[in-house]
Amino acid sequence: EAQVTQNPRYLITVTGKKLTVTCSQNMNHEYMSWYRQDPGLGLRQIYYSMNVEVTDKGDVPEGYKVSRKEKRNFPLILESPSPNQTSLYFCASSLFGTGGSGEKLFFGSGTQLSVL
Amino acid sequence: GIQVEQSPPDLILQEGANSTLRCNFSDSVNNLQWFHQNPWGQLINLFYIPSGTKQNGRLSATTVATERYSLLYISSSQTTDSGVYFCALKANNAGKSTFGDGTTLTVKP
Repeated sequence: EAQVTQNPRYLITVTGKKLTVTCSQNMNHEYMSWYRQDPGLGLRQIYYSMNVEVTDKGDVPEGYKVSRKEKRNFPLILESPSPNQTSLYFCASSLFGTGGSGEKLFFGSGTQLSVL
Repeated sequence: GIQVEQSPPDLILQEGANSTLRCNFSDSVNNLQWFHQNPWGQLINLFYIPSGTKQNGRLSATTVATERYSLLYISSSQTTDSGVYFCALKANNAGKSTFGDGTTLTVKP
């Protein structure tokens, strides 16, 4: 089944403890992206990747890192989480970053992160 | 960056009613998509519609790129249509995407 898989689904951690949220897609998509969703603020883009080894900042990149060593995986790393990073996180992918209907985005199920 | 405004912010309907959701944007775009977030948080892509009109069952969407708006029509609404509807845009040849704040739809039986 074609899908974007995020893990874990729920995560509770403490301030300063490094964590990684994994994202994997099995559709051979070039483009992958991370978003955070906070009440009343819609979805805001954290980082995106147009292809392997190509990453770029979205609107809210502070406090986050990403890497794209393989096409299928795009992990989100919080080196020193803080309470203001408590949020619902989504990973998404599309066939291409630019170019017509290949930009149609497919989302993972989300990761609810709580930083105490 | 691109500014995106969705209206109305909230909408309550009786089952069977029709509705129109609007997405206004501030700049030219080559990528506009509509999503439905169901009450369990799952985001489903409804339409990729940078211009023109598309229909999928009871849902249809129209984007008038020259006037910088898009409309999502829901006909004969059902309780399963409840949730939040987002439009999302990307500027020309850009990897950055911007989402609107969404319209929360509640369909009552």
